[in-house]
Amino acid sequence: AQRVTQPEKLLSVFKGAPVELKCNYSYSGSPELFWYVQYSRQRLQLLLRHISRESIKGFTADLNKGETSFHLKKPFAQEEDSAMYYCALPQGGKLIFGQGTELSVKP
Amino acid sequence: EAQVTQNPRYLITVTGKKLTVTCSQNMNHEYMSWYRQDPGLGLRQIYYSMNVEVTDKGDVPEGYKVSRKEKRNFPLILESPSPNQTSLYFCASSRVWNTEAFFGQGTRLTVV
Repeated sequence: AQRVTQPEKLLSVFKGAPVELKCNYSYSGSPELFWYVQYSRQRLQLLLRHISRESIKGFTADLNKGETSFHLKKPFAQEEDSAMYYCALPQGGKLIFGQGTELSVKP
Repeated sequence: EAQVTQNPRYLITVTGKKLTVTCSQNMNHEYMSWYRQDPGLGLRQIYYSMNVEVTDKGDVPEGYKVSRKEKRNFPLILESPSPNQTSLYFCASSRVWNTEAFFGQGTRLTVV
């Protein structure tokens, strides 16, 4: 079965430090992958998608088919980046989400 | 403004008392779905709908019902709620199933 794994429940960094939120998937073929973000007490919203190859709020994510990964990166974390981040894979009529990683950026 | 609207935002109820959480979208999306979010478990899909009158079970459908009589609405029904259904619920819609999903604000349900 297709799965999305986010191995870190919590990632804590200091402001200005680089950030990498890990996402691994199991899927044969060319997946379409998304990163969603949920700020405190707000709804989930799309952060970026693999197919668009864009950078949103300084975040980027590269699909590595060899390692079946779609890690989210930002070179310099800001306090306002503190949130829950979910990696998601559309498959079989639904979105499969990872368990989420809480990013905490300390001043 | 394009949005997904859920009601109510907060609900406390007693075991066994039927309840409905409404979800409405104004983007003419074909695909709608319901998720529950629990600490340590992330988001799990309850039910989804590819289009009007087409619904299917997600990963955790037990204890829930849905209907899709019209495109914009996708209510979630708990016929006999139990405490293990205490959770944060999100409705989502997308143009088709594998494109960007738009989420509602969430409904925090407590069953005592």
